[in-house]
Parts: sequence; C-alpha cells; structure tokens
Amino acid sequence: DTGVSQNPRHKITKRGQNVTFRCDPISEHNRLYWYRQTLGQGPEFLTYFQNEAQLEKSRLLSDRFSAERPKGSFSTLEIQRTEQGDSAMYLCASSLGGGRKTQYFGPGTRLLVL
Amino acid sequence: AQRVTQPEKLLSVFKGAPVELKCNYSYSGSPELFWYVQYSRQRLQLLLRHISRESIKGFTADLNKGETSFHLKKPFAQEEDSAMYYCALDVQGGSEKLVFGKGTKLTVNP
Repeated sequence: DTGVSQNPRHKITKRGQNVTFRCDPISEHNRLYWYRQTLGQGPEFLTYFQNEAQLEKSRLLSDRFSAERPKGSFSTLEIQRTEQGDSAMYLCASSLGGGRKTQYFGPGTRLLVL
Repeated sequence: AQRVTQPEKLLSVFKGAPVELKCNYSYSGSPELFWYVQYSRQRLQLLLRHISRESIKGFTADLNKGETSFHLKKPFAQEEDSAMYYCALDVQGGSEKLVFGKGTKLTVNP
C-alpha cells in the first residue's frame, strides 16, 4: 500500500471551467477528508465521509463544490464555474475509524485558476 | 471556536542548537494535539501526537492545559529537520476534523 493518492497532481484551468479531482484513500480506511490549503495558511477542513456518507461540510464549501464517495472507496471533489479564489492545494486524508485516529494525507492537487 | 496559533512564521537555528516551535490552542473540549511535518516536495506526515507521548526523530511535545500550549522541542537540531511544521487540534466528536495552525518554517543552518 503506497498511501493516499491524488490525481491529478496539478491542474491549470480558466475561470468558469469545471474541474474534478480524485482521491484514493488507504485501503480499508473508512474515513476520508478533504482539506484546502492556500499560500501561507495551514490546511482547512472542507468535508468528510464515513464510508459513502458525507457527514459534515464546512462553510468554506460553497454551492459550486460537490464531493462524492460513491462506493465508500475513492472520492471525487468537483468545483463548478471555477473562480480565481479557488486556486489552492486540495488535500485528501484518510483514517481508519473514529476515536481520533491518525489522518494520513495524500500529496495534494494544486489548482491554478487563470 | 477552535483555533490553533503558531506565532512564528519562520524560525532559523544553527545545527546543534536547541529548537522550540510554539503552538497555542483554543478549545473548550478535551484537546488532542498533533504535530505534522512537511519536508520539501513531500506530503504532510504525522510527526507526533500528545497522547502517545513518544519522541520521534528526537522531537518531543508536552501538552500544557493550563497554558493551552503544545510546543515542539528538540535539544540538538539537525539540518534534515529543516521543514514546515504544523500544529493541529483534533476536534472531538463527529468528524474529528483537524484544525491546523498556519505553520512554522524551520531552517537549520550548517
């Protein structure tokens, strides 16, 4: 197991376009998290899944953002009608169960909106 | 509201010198705190968590509930310790999401 993987690693898009990112968690990790990190900031929580259920969403997640985890394995994060302010690193993390288990992070997808 | 503060954006020390990276938190529940590290061109990885009370790569951190702090310390810094360090608070219950500080960039000079 090579850990959490994310694709693509980099994405450049024009304002107004839609983009989709994928996250493959560590096998058998039932919790999956999305975070966003902008320059000079620490990661900020966006949303989280337990198996296929999306159980919490941050206020940072506007209506243009949608995340899915259809079979409780990989997850996708879609941003519709991208804006320049969406430029950031999007991080995925997974953990095994609750009880404050360690979250393992992927390498991230860097998005640049022109 | 939950908040993690890392007051130093940058910290520079010489090899062999002691290093302390500061972290303060604000949280009404029972805190669980972590230090994550990001080396150049690598992913964010766990360095240590207070509940395990381990020493990893010579680093230690003690939770001080009275001062609401979780400072990271190492008695003798090495050049390979140069990295970005993030303090994070695990929010109890529900998602148990992590709330991160803004990070401190540590540079250990030869």
